[in-house]
Amino acid sequence: GDSVTQMEGPVTLSEEAFLTINCTYTATGYPSLFWYVQYPGEGLQLLLKATKADDKGSNKGFEATYRKETTSFHLEKGSVQVSDSAVYFCALSADNQGGKLIFGQGTELSVKP
Amino acid sequence: DAGVIQSPRHEVTEMGQEVTLRCKPISGHDYLFWYRQTMMRGLELLIYFNNNVPIDDSGMPEDRFSAKMPNASFSTLKIQPSEPRDSAVYFCASSFRQPTNEKLFFGSGTQLSVL
Repeated sequence: GDSVTQMEGPVTLSEEAFLTINCTYTATGYPSLFWYVQYPGEGLQLLLKATKADDKGSNKGFEATYRKETTSFHLEKGSVQVSDSAVYFCALSADNQGGKLIFGQGTELSVKP
Repeated sequence: DAGVIQSPRHEVTEMGQEVTLRCKPISGHDYLFWYRQTMMRGLELLIYFNNNVPIDDSGMPEDRFSAKMPNASFSTLKIQPSEPRDSAVYFCASSFRQPTNEKLFFGSGTQLSVL
């Protein structure tokens, strides 16, 4: 079945460092891809999305490009802040899955001042 | 709008007791999802509803778990009897139309501890 694989955490960075969190997917159809973020004690929030190949989703300085040839949707940010500390989830949703959103395991990011 | 509202925020119970988790989705949303989050298994989809009808319950762990959505503004997830391995954070989420292209809105979760 469809699945999402993320790099394991935790990832610890210093403020202003460059961030990459890897995400690859397996899907039989043509899924939409998402990054959700979970801040401590809260539910998940949509960070960005891409609905077709070569689309780039971006929000709050984060971006990810839908790469069909490598089945990847890596999350990047040029300069992280302490406030970016959270757990990041990659997810996919395919029409042939009836609307389900399938999440990766999550990657914890900790940014130190 | 107040967002997706879950109650209680925390629940501590003893093994064998019945537990009921509650969710009020965002008004106008026609999809409702129940997820469970643990360190070991990450975020698992348990069941989801469309227009109050259960569509896919393949993620429900076993018969001890049941979920209902009697109307568009309320859903429950019940565990009877509860076991220590059910300890987790349970999230409810809702969306307008399928989340293939739409944002999924999550509640703040219920932290369940079964002793």
